Amino acid sequence: GALVYQYPRRTICKSGTSMRMECQAVGFQATSVAWYRQSPQKTFELIALSTVNSAIKYEQNFTQEKFPISHPNLSFSSMTVLNAYLEDRGLYLCGAVLGGYEQYFGPGTRLTVL
Amino acid sequence: QQKVQQSPESLSVPEGGMASLNCTSSDRNFQYFWWYRQHSGEGPKALMSIFSDGDKKEGRFTAHLNKASLHVSLHIRDSQPSDSALYFCAASEGYNQGKLIFGQGTKLSIKP
Repeated sequence: GALVYQYPRRTICKSGTSMRMECQAVGFQATSVAWYRQSPQKTFELIALSTVNSAIKYEQNFTQEKFPISHPNLSFSSMTVLNAYLEDRGLYLCGAVLGGYEQYFGPGTRLTVL
Repeated sequence: QQKVQQSPESLSVPEGGMASLNCTSSDRNFQYFWWYRQHSGEGPKALMSIFSDGDKKEGRFTAHLNKASLHVSLHIRDSQPSDSALYFCAASEGYNQGKLIFGQGTKLSIKP
């Protein structure tokens, strides 16, 4: 079956520091990977969509300078939160798209900023 | 403005009962819908997708889509305590788009 792993599951960083999170698709090759942030109130924000052989598209209010993403192959993607502040806290989810259709989510990386 | 609106915000249903959740897209570009379920401490898991007008049934779950009104609903019959979770409606511009816009979610509680 299609599985998506995310690492780390939880992380705490000091305000102004950066942290990197990883997303791994197992059992399938993801044609696209989408990164989302789920707020403490449970609402979702799409950060960016990374599609193979295409440029990474960032949504409004999210920039490559703040959330650089690496997508070196069809199974792996990573995202860094640079200069994290309180408003960056939340659950960061990656959704790996199978066959350009079904999107499978990992368990998320929960970011706490002190 | 939220492009995908869900209602109700929370819902309590007795075990064995029917749970009905609603979702509406305010953007006619977003007319491909998915329902996701998220249990505490986990990522969302896809329940079903619906792209055409009418009903789609998968086990105890039935989704209904009205493209004219961009309204989609999810009905869970014979609700089980394990169905207690957050339910999200998500919409996209195409069936093969990785970009999903999520609603605010409905918290479903099934009472034994």
